[in-house]
Amino acid sequence: EVQLVESGGGLIQPGGSLRLSCAASGFTVSSNYMSWVRQAPGKGLEWVSVIYSGGSTYYADSVKGRFTISRDNSKNTLYLQMNSLRAEDTAVYYCARAPLDYPEAFDIWGQGTMVTVSS
Amino acid sequence: SYVLTQPPSVSVAPGKTARITCGGNNIGSKSVHWYQQKPGQAPVLVIYYDSDRPSGIPERFSGSNSGNTATLTISRVEAGDEADYYCQVWDSSSDPDYVFGTGTKVTVL
Repeated sequence: EVQLVESGGGLIQPGGSLRLSCAASGFTVSSNYMSWVRQAPGKGLEWVSVIYSGGSTYYADSVKGRFTISRDNSKNTLYLQMNSLRAEDTAVYYCARAPLDYPEAFDIWGQGTMVTVSS
Repeated sequence: SYVLTQPPSVSVAPGKTARITCGGNNIGSKSVHWYQQKPGQAPVLVIYYDSDRPSGIPERFSGSNSGNTATLTISRVEAGDEADYYCQVWDSSSDPDYVFGTGTKVTVL
């Protein structure tokens, strides 16, 4: 079964760091474009970051310089290292696959992991 | 950055047709994708590349895109279609950017 399972969310103080993980099954992470998308409570979807199959990475302006996307091919897992966290980073974080056939859209999503930045 | 605008809400009676618009500057030159999100759940792709349906998505869901407006149409609306719907494009004008619309809450009366 093709699926994504996120973990690593939690309550963190402003200025702190957190690493999210997204374990994939049923397909190869490194062969697809993989993204993180977040959703603040009661708000819409916001794209955060993407890692291409070739390894190039890109970020939304709101997280550039603070967040780092990466992957471990041996574990078939995607990561998001989040540093210098702010209250406005509070959201459910989803990992999502943009498939080879249509890399502009997200066909598989994880269930999400909640990150709360608060003192 | 590129902006996509959707109406906050659309109400429709069961069995009728719901149309959800997504406005953007010359959006007809881009490929538009649509997602359905029910409360407490992850988004689900319902339309990609303007009008294609992933496997498992009912034919009642269709899409079109021209000029400055893309439209998601849900025919013969059912109670289970009540959800938030988001349009999305991939903007490559500078660094790659996946842009989501503001979202539309569809209420089945």
